[in-house]
Amino acid sequence: DSGVTQTPKHLITATGQRVTLRCSPRSGDLSVYWYQQSLDQGLQFLIQYYNGEERAKGNILERFSAQQFPDLHSELNLSSLELGDSALYFCASSEDSSGNTIYFGEGSWLTVV
Amino acid sequence: AQSVSQHNHHVILSEAASLELGCNYSYGGTVNLFWYVQYPGQHLQLLLKYFSGDPLVKGIKGFEAEFIKSKFSFNLRKPSVQWSDTAEYLCAVNEVGSARQLTFGSGTQLTVLP
Repeated sequence: DSGVTQTPKHLITATGQRVTLRCSPRSGDLSVYWYQQSLDQGLQFLIQYYNGEERAKGNILERFSAQQFPDLHSELNLSSLELGDSALYFCASSEDSSGNTIYFGEGSWLTVV
Repeated sequence: AQSVSQHNHHVILSEAASLELGCNYSYGGTVNLFWYVQYPGQHLQLLLKYFSGDPLVKGIKGFEAEFIKSKFSFNLRKPSVQWSDTAEYLCAVNEVGSARQLTFGSGTQLTVLP
């Protein structure tokens, strides 16, 4: 158990819908990272937050957004879902913003039908 | 932009065989290097990491990796694999001094036959 908690573990939704994935970082970690893992793209960095502020942005679509709340949990919002958004979405956390030692959650499986 | 290449997509070995998984990166600056493992149904776990110093890094579960700067490589090795090593192995890099998010390779699925 990495200490990073993600909910839901599995989610099936229809195209055009919107979903929210939630992540609770390890106790004491200030940074949260979101990654998308798909069969064709591999593991892709989406976005990083540090202590409530956006710190780095990767290959995140405009239809996707994220935020980190004062209690440090984070949510990834995916809207206008397309079939190609089906993937495993990982959250990770680290103590600082360096990204040198990060701990991954078990992921949220999203299936868009 | 930096990239990470893992050329072996699927490796099948028998127990007790030796393992070497290749990882090459494209960035020419100073990097930190990582190997992660993802066992079936589990989260990504850090196997080992290299920041600086001795280029031969030892990790958990008998794994080691060697950083060869001239070859931009960070290959993962294990002298004798076990059935329980069956997993996906991902190499990752982040650039020292930049935004520092990890860039992952496409992963290598290792299957160890009993």
